[in-house]
Amino acid sequence: DVKVTQSSRYLVKRTGEKVFLECVQDMDHENMFWYRQDPGLGLRLIYFSYDVKMKEKGDIPEGYSVSREKKERFSLILESASTNQTSMYLCASSGGRYNEQFFGPGTRLTVL
Amino acid sequence: KNQVEQSPQSLIILEGKNCTLQCNYTVSPFSNLRWYKQDTGRGPVSLTIMTFSENTKSNGRYTATLDADTKQSSLHITASQLSDSASYICVVSLNYGGATNKLIFGTGTLLAVQP
Repeated sequence: DVKVTQSSRYLVKRTGEKVFLECVQDMDHENMFWYRQDPGLGLRLIYFSYDVKMKEKGDIPEGYSVSREKKERFSLILESASTNQTSMYLCASSGGRYNEQFFGPGTRLTVL
Repeated sequence: KNQVEQSPQSLIILEGKNCTLQCNYTVSPFSNLRWYKQDTGRGPVSLTIMTFSENTKSNGRYTATLDADTKQSSLHITASQLSDSASYICVVSLNYGGATNKLIFGTGTLLAVQP
C-alpha cells in the first residue's frame, strides 16, 4: 500500500514564525503536491514537484515555498506565518496508470 | 472556466438507507473523474477512478457512474453504515499531456449517517 506521511497532525505557531511541514512517500513516485483545504473552498494546490529539485507553482503559491532535495521527501515552508495561513495542509504523491494521487493524513496548522 | 460542482452540500440519512451524491463538471480537456472519501480530520482516500470510456465502476457498496455527454457523475452508496459518515469529494483530472495532470476539486458533500 502507498503510504504518505506528514510530520505533524497538529501544529500551533505564532505570527511571523518560520514553519516547516514535512511529507514523505514510500512509493518512489515522481510527483508530489502540497494543498491547503479550507471550509467551502475545497482543496487548492499550493506547489507541486515532478522531480528532485524541481518545483512548480500551483494556484495559490503566495507566502509559501517548497523544497525537494530527495525523491521521497517534499517540504512546505511558510517563511513568515500569518493568521490567514491557518488551514489544513495536505500532501500527496501520484503515480500509476491514472497518475492517481495518494494523500497524507494532513496537518492542521493554527497561526496565532 | 474549469469547475466541479457537487450536490447536495450536506446530507443526513439513516443507517441502512441508500443515497446518491451528484457531481457536475465543466472541465476540458477531460482525463478522468475520481471520487474520494475524506473522514473528518484525515486525508482523502480514493474510492473510484473512471476514464472517458467507463460509465460505471464499483468499490464494495460504492458505485460511481459517469455520463461524459452530460458531464455528470454520481456516487451511489448502498446500505449505508455509520462509518460512511464523511465528506465525499468529486475530482476531475485534466489531460494536458506530460507526467502530471491538473486536478479540479469539488467542495464535497458532507454525509452524516445516523443510527
